[in-house]
Amino acid sequence: GAGVSQSPRYKVAKRGQDVALRCDPISGHVSLFWYQQALGQGPEFLTYFQNEAQLDKSGLPSDRFFAERPEGSVSTLKIQRTQQEDSAVYLCASSLELTDPLGTGELFFGEGSRLTVL
Amino acid sequence: AQTVTQSQPEMSVQEAETVTLSCTYDTSESDYYLFWYKQPPSRQMILVIRQEAYKQQNATENRFSVNFQKAAKSFSLKISDSQLGDAAMYFCAYRLNYGGSQGNLIFGKGTKLSVKP
Repeated sequence: GAGVSQSPRYKVAKRGQDVALRCDPISGHVSLFWYQQALGQGPEFLTYFQNEAQLDKSGLPSDRFFAERPEGSVSTLKIQRTQQEDSAVYLCASSLELTDPLGTGELFFGEGSRLTVL
Repeated sequence: AQTVTQSQPEMSVQEAETVTLSCTYDTSESDYYLFWYKQPPSRQMILVIRQEAYKQQNATENRFSVNFQKAAKSFSLKISDSQLGDAAMYFCAYRLNYGGSQGNLIFGKGTKLSVKP
Protein backbone atom coordinates (compact mmCIF):
# COMPACT_ATOMS: atom_id res chain seq x y z
CA GLY A 1 0.00 0.00 0.00
CA ALA A 2 0.92 3.64 -0.29
CA GLY A 3 0.69 4.52 3.39
CA VAL A 4 1.93 3.30 6.75
CA SER A 5 0.12 0.12 7.70
CA GLN A 6 -0.29 -1.14 11.25
CA SER A 7 -1.73 -4.37 12.57
CA PRO A 8 -3.70 -5.41 14.43
CA ARG A 9 -5.95 -2.37 14.66
CA TYR A 10 -7.42 -3.66 17.90
CA LYS A 11 -5.93 -6.01 20.43
CA VAL A 12 -7.40 -7.13 23.72
CA ALA A 13 -5.00 -8.89 26.05
CA LYS A 14 -5.31 -10.34 29.50
CA ARG A 15 -2.90 -8.92 32.02
CA GLY A 16 0.33 -10.84 31.85
CA GLN A 17 0.05 -11.79 28.18
CA ASP A 18 2.67 -10.85 25.60
CA VAL A 19 1.60 -8.84 22.56
CA ALA A 20 3.26 -7.93 19.26
CA LEU A 21 2.28 -4.93 17.17
CA ARG A 22 3.39 -4.63 13.58
CA CYS A 23 4.24 -1.56 11.50
CA ASP A 24 4.82 -1.61 7.77
CA PRO A 25 6.23 1.81 6.81
CA ILE A 26 6.14 3.49 3.45
CA SER A 27 8.58 1.78 1.11
CA GLY A 28 11.96 3.47 1.12
CA HIS A 29 11.43 5.42 4.30
CA VAL A 30 14.57 5.42 6.40
CA SER A 31 13.24 6.74 9.69
CA LEU A 32 10.64 4.96 11.79
CA PHE A 33 9.13 6.07 15.08
CA TRP A 34 6.85 4.42 17.60
CA TYR A 35 4.57 6.55 19.78
CA GLN A 36 2.23 5.69 22.64
CA GLN A 37 -1.01 7.65 22.88
CA ALA A 38 -2.97 7.28 26.10
CA LEU A 39 -6.66 8.15 26.09
CA GLY A 40 -7.18 11.89 25.83
CA GLN A 41 -3.48 12.62 25.47
CA GLY A 42 -1.08 13.48 22.72
CA PRO A 43 1.29 10.85 21.39
CA GLU A 44 4.52 10.32 23.32
CA PHE A 45 7.76 9.11 21.82
CA LEU A 46 8.82 5.53 22.48
CA THR A 47 11.65 4.65 20.12
CA TYR A 48 13.34 5.54 16.84
CA PHE A 49 14.96 3.52 14.07
CA GLN A 50 17.16 4.62 11.25
CA ASN A 51 16.99 1.71 8.84
CA GLU A 52 17.61 -1.36 11.01
CA ALA A 53 19.46 0.51 13.75
CA GLN A 54 17.56 1.42 16.88
CA LEU A 55 19.19 4.75 17.66
CA ASP A 56 16.99 5.85 20.51
CA LYS A 57 14.87 3.82 22.89
CA SER A 58 14.76 6.34 25.69
CA GLY A 59 10.97 6.60 25.59
CA LEU A 60 10.29 2.94 26.25
CA PRO A 61 8.54 2.93 29.66
CA SER A 62 10.04 -0.31 30.96
CA ASP A 63 12.15 -3.30 29.99
CA ARG A 64 8.92 -5.11 29.13
CA PHE A 65 8.85 -3.05 25.92
CA PHE A 66 11.01 -4.14 23.03
CA ALA A 67 11.12 -3.01 19.41
CA GLU A 68 12.94 -4.29 16.38
CA ARG A 69 13.31 -3.57 12.68
CA PRO A 70 15.66 -6.35 11.53
CA GLU A 71 15.69 -5.63 7.80
CA GLY A 72 15.16 -1.91 7.91
CA SER A 73 11.55 -2.04 6.79
CA VAL A 74 8.84 -3.72 8.88
CA SER A 75 9.03 -3.04 12.60
CA THR A 76 7.53 -4.89 15.54
CA LEU A 77 6.80 -3.49 18.97
CA LYS A 78 6.58 -6.21 21.58
CA ILE A 79 5.19 -5.80 25.05
CA GLN A 80 5.84 -8.59 27.51
CA ARG A 81 3.70 -9.37 30.56
CA THR A 82 1.21 -6.64 29.71
CA GLN A 83 -0.17 -4.43 32.48
CA GLN A 84 -3.33 -2.33 32.54
CA GLU A 85 -1.28 0.85 32.26
CA ASP A 86 -0.07 -0.37 28.86
CA SER A 87 -3.57 0.20 27.46
CA ALA A 88 -3.18 2.84 24.76
CA VAL A 89 -3.03 3.43 21.05
CA TYR A 90 0.38 2.66 19.60
CA LEU A 91 1.20 4.78 16.58
CA CYS A 92 3.90 4.15 14.05
CA ALA A 93 5.28 6.88 11.82
CA SER A 94 7.86 6.91 9.07
CA SER A 95 9.69 9.53 7.07
CA LEU A 96 11.95 9.48 4.06
CA GLU A 97 14.74 10.97 6.11
CA LEU A 98 14.56 13.65 8.73
CA THR A 99 17.17 15.61 6.86
CA ASP A 100 15.77 14.84 3.42
CA PRO A 101 16.69 17.16 0.57
CA LEU A 102 13.22 18.64 0.47
CA GLY A 103 13.48 19.46 4.15
CA THR A 104 9.81 18.79 4.58
CA GLY A 105 10.21 17.18 7.96
CA GLU A 106 6.93 15.37 7.54
CA LEU A 107 6.21 12.15 9.37
CA PHE A 108 3.56 9.86 7.91
CA PHE A 109 1.45 8.04 10.45
CA GLY A 110 -0.39 4.76 10.46
CA GLU A 111 -3.85 4.35 11.96
CA GLY A 112 -2.46 2.87 15.12
CA SER A 113 -3.05 -0.26 17.13
CA ARG A 114 -5.41 0.10 20.08
CA LEU A 115 -4.30 -2.16 22.93
CA THR A 116 -6.68 -2.88 25.79
CA VAL A 117 -5.32 -4.84 28.72
CA LEU A 118 -7.95 -6.39 30.97
CA ALA B 1 13.45 20.19 27.42
CA GLN B 2 11.01 21.18 24.74
CA THR B 3 7.33 21.30 25.64
CA VAL B 4 4.14 22.03 23.74
CA THR B 5 1.05 23.39 25.46
CA GLN B 6 -2.49 23.49 24.13
CA SER B 7 -4.64 25.31 26.64
CA GLN B 8 -8.01 24.58 25.04
CA PRO B 9 -9.14 20.97 25.64
CA GLU B 10 -12.30 21.56 23.61
CA MET B 11 -13.53 24.13 21.12
CA SER B 12 -16.75 24.50 19.20
CA VAL B 13 -17.51 26.41 16.00
CA GLN B 14 -20.55 26.95 13.84
CA GLU B 15 -20.34 25.63 10.31
CA ALA B 16 -18.94 28.27 7.91
CA GLU B 17 -17.51 30.31 10.80
CA THR B 18 -13.88 30.82 11.78
CA VAL B 19 -12.13 29.30 14.78
CA THR B 20 -8.65 29.70 16.22
CA LEU B 21 -6.83 26.99 18.16
CA SER B 22 -4.01 28.06 20.45
CA CYS B 23 -0.59 26.53 20.96
CA THR B 24 2.48 27.67 22.83
CA TYR B 25 5.82 25.93 23.06
CA ASP B 26 9.04 26.20 24.96
CA THR B 27 12.46 25.70 23.45
CA SER B 28 15.92 27.19 23.59
CA GLU B 29 16.63 26.15 20.01
CA SER B 30 16.34 28.42 16.98
CA ASP B 31 15.98 25.96 14.10
CA TYR B 32 12.84 23.89 14.29
CA TYR B 33 9.54 23.02 12.65
CA LEU B 34 6.03 23.43 13.99
CA PHE B 35 3.07 21.41 12.84
CA TRP B 36 -0.64 21.08 13.26
CA TYR B 37 -1.99 17.56 12.91
CA LYS B 38 -5.61 16.48 12.69
CA GLN B 39 -6.68 13.16 14.21
CA PRO B 40 -10.17 12.00 13.27
CA PRO B 41 -11.82 9.02 15.00
CA SER B 42 -9.98 6.73 12.58
CA ARG B 43 -6.89 7.71 14.63
CA GLN B 44 -4.62 8.43 11.69
CA MET B 45 -2.65 11.63 12.18
CA ILE B 46 -3.05 13.86 9.15
CA LEU B 47 -0.73 16.79 8.59
CA VAL B 48 -2.71 20.02 8.31
CA ILE B 49 0.00 22.63 8.07
CA ARG B 50 3.72 23.10 8.69
CA GLN B 51 5.83 26.12 9.60
CA GLU B 52 9.60 26.42 9.45
CA ALA B 53 10.89 28.57 12.30
CA TYR B 54 13.28 30.50 10.08
CA LYS B 55 10.42 31.71 7.87
CA GLN B 56 8.75 34.88 9.01
CA GLN B 57 5.82 34.47 6.67
CA ASN B 58 2.90 32.60 8.16
CA ALA B 59 2.04 29.33 6.43
CA THR B 60 -1.33 28.90 4.74
CA GLU B 61 -3.04 25.88 3.24
CA ASN B 62 -6.40 26.68 1.72
CA ARG B 63 -8.77 27.32 4.67
CA PHE B 64 -6.02 26.74 7.23
CA SER B 65 -3.52 29.36 8.29
CA VAL B 66 -1.23 29.91 11.23
CA ASN B 67 -0.18 32.88 13.29
CA PHE B 68 3.44 32.19 14.15
CA GLN B 69 4.94 34.48 16.77
CA LYS B 70 8.49 33.24 17.28
CA ALA B 71 9.46 35.63 20.05
CA ALA B 72 6.33 34.78 21.98
CA LYS B 73 6.68 31.07 21.10
CA SER B 74 3.11 30.98 19.94
CA PHE B 75 1.69 29.01 17.02
CA SER B 76 -2.08 29.27 16.60
CA LEU B 77 -4.17 27.64 13.88
CA LYS B 78 -7.02 29.47 12.20
CA ILE B 79 -9.66 27.48 10.36
CA SER B 80 -11.84 29.58 8.08
CA ASP B 81 -15.22 28.58 6.64
CA SER B 82 -15.38 25.60 9.01
CA GLN B 83 -16.82 22.41 7.60
CA LEU B 84 -18.37 19.40 9.31
CA GLY B 85 -15.40 17.34 8.20
CA ASP B 86 -13.08 19.55 10.22
CA ALA B 87 -14.39 18.02 13.44
CA ALA B 88 -11.51 16.10 15.02
CA MET B 89 -8.73 16.27 17.59
CA TYR B 90 -6.08 18.79 16.63
CA PHE B 91 -2.52 18.43 17.87
CA CYS B 92 0.19 21.02 17.80
CA ALA B 93 3.66 19.51 17.44
CA TYR B 94 7.28 20.63 17.45
CA ARG B 95 10.47 19.10 16.20
CA LEU B 96 14.05 20.14 15.86
CA ASN B 97 15.42 20.57 12.37
CA TYR B 98 18.07 17.92 12.40
CA GLY B 99 18.19 14.21 12.10
CA GLY B 100 18.08 11.36 14.51
CA SER B 101 15.59 10.98 17.26
CA GLN B 102 16.19 14.53 18.36
CA GLY B 103 14.02 15.29 15.39
CA ASN B 104 11.10 13.34 16.74
CA LEU B 105 7.79 15.12 17.20
CA ILE B 106 6.77 16.51 20.56
CA PHE B 107 3.02 16.85 20.81
CA GLY B 108 0.63 18.92 22.87
CA LYS B 109 -2.33 17.28 24.55
CA GLY B 110 -4.71 18.23 21.80
CA THR B 111 -7.86 20.28 21.27
CA LYS B 112 -11.11 18.57 20.40
CA LEU B 113 -12.92 20.61 17.77
CA SER B 114 -16.67 20.24 17.26
CA VAL B 115 -18.44 21.76 14.27
CA LYS B 116 -22.13 22.56 14.64
CA PRO B 117 -24.34 22.43 11.56
